[in-house]
Amino acid sequence: QLQLQESGPGLVKPSETLSLTCTVSGDSSLSTGSYWGWIRQPPGKGLEWIGTIFSDGRTYYSPSLKSRVTISVDTSKNQISLRLNSVTAADTAVYYCARQRSAAMVYFAYWGQGTLVTVSS
Amino acid sequence: QSVLTQPPSVSGAPGQRVTISCTGSSSNIGAGYDVHWYQQPPGTAPTLLIYGNDNRPSGVPDRFSGSKSGTSASLALTGLQADDEADYYCQSYDSSLSTVVFGGGTKLTVL
Repeated sequence: QLQLQESGPGLVKPSETLSLTCTVSGDSSLSTGSYWGWIRQPPGKGLEWIGTIFSDGRTYYSPSLKSRVTISVDTSKNQISLRLNSVTAADTAVYYCARQRSAAMVYFAYWGQGTLVTVSS
Repeated sequence: QSVLTQPPSVSGAPGQRVTISCTGSSSNIGAGYDVHWYQQPPGTAPTLLIYGNDNRPSGVPDRFSGSKSGTSASLALTGLQADDEADYYCQSYDSSLSTVVFGGGTKLTVL
């Protein structure tokens, strides 16, 4: 059974960089041809796709966040990382990593439990 | 303002049937992109409920069903149970925005 676990600081200051890691375990983990996404959810609000990375390193980002986001993968550690720079209070959210089914089937079959990141001084 | 429009809330009594709509446009659902549905009970992560418009992952009861027509999709729940209380989200892809899009979510209350 595939398991995903997000980790990182729960508090980030405005204008600084948010950095999170998603550790994947089970079911061949970061296998060749796998796809991984980051999605966030501000408190009391809906879901927002941040971006997707393929296991070969290709990335696709939300146009609204593209200028501030970097997603990377480390297959040796079975980890996917998210960096979001120049954060503001609007970036306060629960951040989820999830496995995307495939390039053609753009849905998320497995999700981590999520980690709350608060942007505040 | 979400690209996919869902009603903020729906409700039903135990045993009843409810539907949740998801309305898009010609650049997402109407362009032929699949619709997927997620269930999110309070305080938990979303889980996949329906994929590819009308397919259930293993383990999802057949009380849940999805459909798609034109620029809209629907999620139907029959035989409502107390533990169906959750937020439900539809998701698709938008070609003009070049992004994965989610609906704003619908809160289901079992009366």
